[in-house]
Amino acid sequence: KQEVTQIPAALSVPEGENLVLNCSFTDSAIYNLQWFRQDPGKGLTSLLLIQSSQREQTSGRLNASLDKSSGRSTLYIAASQPGDSATYLCAVISGTYKYIFGTGTRLKVLA
Amino acid sequence: GAVVSQHPSRVICKSGTSVKIECRSLDFQATTMFWYRQFPKQSLMLMATSNEGSKATYEQGVEKDKFLINHASLTLSTLTVTSAHPEDSSFYICSASRGQGEDGYTFGSGTRLTVV
Repeated sequence: KQEVTQIPAALSVPEGENLVLNCSFTDSAIYNLQWFRQDPGKGLTSLLLIQSSQREQTSGRLNASLDKSSGRSTLYIAASQPGDSATYLCAVISGTYKYIFGTGTRLKVLA
Repeated sequence: GAVVSQHPSRVICKSGTSVKIECRSLDFQATTMFWYRQFPKQSLMLMATSNEGSKATYEQGVEKDKFLINHASLTLSTLTVTSAHPEDSSFYICSASRGQGEDGYTFGSGTRLTVV
């Protein structure tokens, strides 16, 4: 059974710092992996999608990498801003197209 | 890009009543939609897979008679929480994909259900 874990569970950093969020999964047979942002009481905003054949994806200050063999993905946020404060979720998609979500990392960027 | 609309965004209902939540794919057809539930400070858990024109597939531990799913068209799936109880209070969110999921799934904005 696929299990997805995110470390750390919570993170508080001063504005301007570069930071790395970690996601690990137990079954490397994934279809793709997606990172989301969730603001309190809101839905999901897709940040980056990495297909299983890809190693990384970049969008603006965000960079996500994927290492299927080790069951890991990282989300790198450069020059963090208070507006980046949110919960970040990673999800792996199995061959049955179901998303298995991680436990989330609650990020707070202090001004 | 693909847009998924979910309605209502918030609903408060009395214990024992039923509530219907709609999930629509606005600019594409979706043969499969998924329904998730999220309790406070927890991650999203898949409840069921909604299949157009056939019965939904429920995850283990989800009561199919309590959470009725109807996927009558290629653009609409509904989740009805029947005889709601306070423990059903949660954030419900749906997702759909234009294709087979190779470009990822688009999520609705979610519905906050409070049962009083």
